[in-house]
Amino acid sequence: DAGVIQSPRHEVTEMGQEVTLRCKPISGHNSLFWYRQTMMRGLELLIYFNNNVPIDDSGMPEDRFSAKMPNASFSTLKIQPSEPRDSAVYFCASRIFNEQYFGPGTRLTVT
Amino acid sequence: EDKVVQSPLSLVVHEGDTVTLNCSYEVTNFRSLLWYKQEKKAPTFLFMLTSSGIEKKSGRLSSILDKKELFSILNITATQTGDSAIYLCAVDFVGGNKLVFGAGTILRVKS
Repeated sequence: DAGVIQSPRHEVTEMGQEVTLRCKPISGHNSLFWYRQTMMRGLELLIYFNNNVPIDDSGMPEDRFSAKMPNASFSTLKIQPSEPRDSAVYFCASRIFNEQYFGPGTRLTVT
Repeated sequence: EDKVVQSPLSLVVHEGDTVTLNCSYEVTNFRSLLWYKQEKKAPTFLFMLTSSGIEKKSGRLSSILDKKELFSILNITATQTGDSAIYLCAVDFVGGNKLVFGAGTILRVKS
């Protein structure tokens, strides 16, 4: 298996632009997580899905952030409009039972 | 509120030294504790601990859990420069699906 796949790996955009991050979980994993990591705040859980259904979005910082999982093999995290303080590495992870695996992350820079 | 606290926040040692990283937790419905190593990319899984007093070992790394005192330690013996990374501790819950992460310990091994 290729593991969790994220795209793009790097994104540089200007403040106010829309950003869409994409994730393909490991096949057969029934839970998907979006995390954000910064030096200041560490690794933060933004939202997670079980069987494509959003379960806990309490970590989503603002209404500018939204996430979808239209099917078991694809999820998106969208930021609209983006702001410089959104600059971070965004990780997607998928899980089955007790095993959770992270994707390589998307490094987002908002100027 | 569920909490995972790691110490020290950062550590610098010389090759060959032994290090001990700490993770304490205050959570309800504890199921397991996990250790991850994060180098330049995504966190990679090291250990999962569910029972007190049973040491998990992988090469020069070992870890143990104390469910009475609510902590775990990660030991690395004969450290090498390749051990330089952020070490993350996370707690898993009965009936839940998300992990709560500590802030991590930044380990730097100097040659």
